[in-house]
Amino acid sequence: AQSVAQPEDQVNVAEGNPLTVKCTYSVSGNPYLFWYVQYPNRGLQFLLKYITRDNLVKGSYGFEAEFNKSQTSFHLKKPSALVSDSALYFCAVRAFYNQGGKLIFGQGTELSVKP
Amino acid sequence: NAGVTQTPKFQVLKTGQSMTLQCAQDMNHEYMSWYRQDPGMGLRLIHYSVGAGITDQGEVPNGYNVSRSTTEDFPLRLLSAAPSQTSVYFCASSTTPDSGNTIYFGEGSWLTVV
Repeated sequence: AQSVAQPEDQVNVAEGNPLTVKCTYSVSGNPYLFWYVQYPNRGLQFLLKYITRDNLVKGSYGFEAEFNKSQTSFHLKKPSALVSDSALYFCAVRAFYNQGGKLIFGQGTELSVKP
Repeated sequence: NAGVTQTPKFQVLKTGQSMTLQCAQDMNHEYMSWYRQDPGMGLRLIHYSVGAGITDQGEVPNGYNVSRSTTEDFPLRLLSAAPSQTSVYFCASSTTPDSGNTIYFGEGSWLTVV
């Protein structure tokens, strides 16, 4: 069975500091991994995805994610956090040939960036 | 760029009432789906469709119906609302079911059943 886990319910960072939101996955075969962000009372916005080859993936709003096959991780990073980055972040894996290629989500991590 | 459009944004229902959440996409995507979001559980798939006239069940289909008469539209029907269906509902779409394709989400529908 495929799954993702986000071990931290909440991450607190000071503005200007680097941020990391953690994600680990369990997938047989090559994983297709995604990060989404959800602002209050809004839908999920696509940030970036890993589908093959490049271990460092760059995405929207200055975010990037590092794929590590040996550690089965796909952590989201940003060199310098902004207050406006405060939101709920979801890691997800897209299932292979299972229910139409559904997304399997982690439980989400609330990021809080303080001035 | 409209993308995935959902209506209504907010709705309060009484137990036993029925309603339809509307979803439309203008990207000519084959694949459309409905998820529900509950605290601490991420999002879970309710129903999905891989093309007009084709629908199937996801993880949590009970109490919901869908149809896909056109490529653009994928409405979700609550047959007889229950308090357990209080949730945030998201419609989503992608070009095809292929695993590498990005799934795009609508803005969500906040439903409360009293």
